[in-house]
Amino acid sequence: DTGVSQDPRHKITKRGQNVTFRCDPISEHNRLYWYRQTLGQGPEFLTYFQNEAQLEKSRLLSDRFSAERPKGSFSTLEIQRTEQGDSAMYLCASSLEGTDGYTFGSGTRLTVV
Amino acid sequence: KNEVEQSPQNLTAQEGEFITINCSYSVGISALHWLQQHPGGGIVSLFMLSSGKKKHGRLIATINIQEKHSSLHITASHPRDSAVYICAVRGSGSRLTFGEGTQLTVNP
Repeated sequence: DTGVSQDPRHKITKRGQNVTFRCDPISEHNRLYWYRQTLGQGPEFLTYFQNEAQLEKSRLLSDRFSAERPKGSFSTLEIQRTEQGDSAMYLCASSLEGTDGYTFGSGTRLTVV
Repeated sequence: KNEVEQSPQNLTAQEGEFITINCSYSVGISALHWLQQHPGGGIVSLFMLSSGKKKHGRLIATINIQEKHSSLHITASHPRDSAVYICAVRGSGSRLTFGEGTQLTVNP
């Protein structure tokens, strides 16, 4: 297992376009998290899954954002009708229920022009 | 006031200096993480603490649960230690709440 993988690493898109990011967690980890980090700030929680169930969503996650984890393995985060304010690093992390250890991916840097 | 406060925001040191980064939090926690983030974004977990002290190489992390405070120390700092260091806490739920990070620059 090579850790948490995120794809793509970088994405430049025009305002109004839809984008989708993918996260592949560590295979034994049943919890998967999405965080967003803007320049100079710490990451902020967006949502998390336990297996395929989305257990918590931040109020930061507007109606334009949707996340799925259909088979309890990889997850996708989709942003519809992107806005310039969506420009950020989108980080994925995974953990195993009952443990405190977290493993982060390298992130997807989104630039909306 | 943020739930997790770090100080200083920026720190510049000369190679070899002893460095301390502080983290204070205002909520009950089950664990505290110290993370390192290099340019390009990837985050590496350095320590996870729920009590006491941990050491790994030149890095030492301590936590005082009663005072809701943790410190990350770097001994004999090196330019390759230059990065953003982030404190994050886990409360009763599963998510982490992050500080804003400390940008460390170690000059040769």
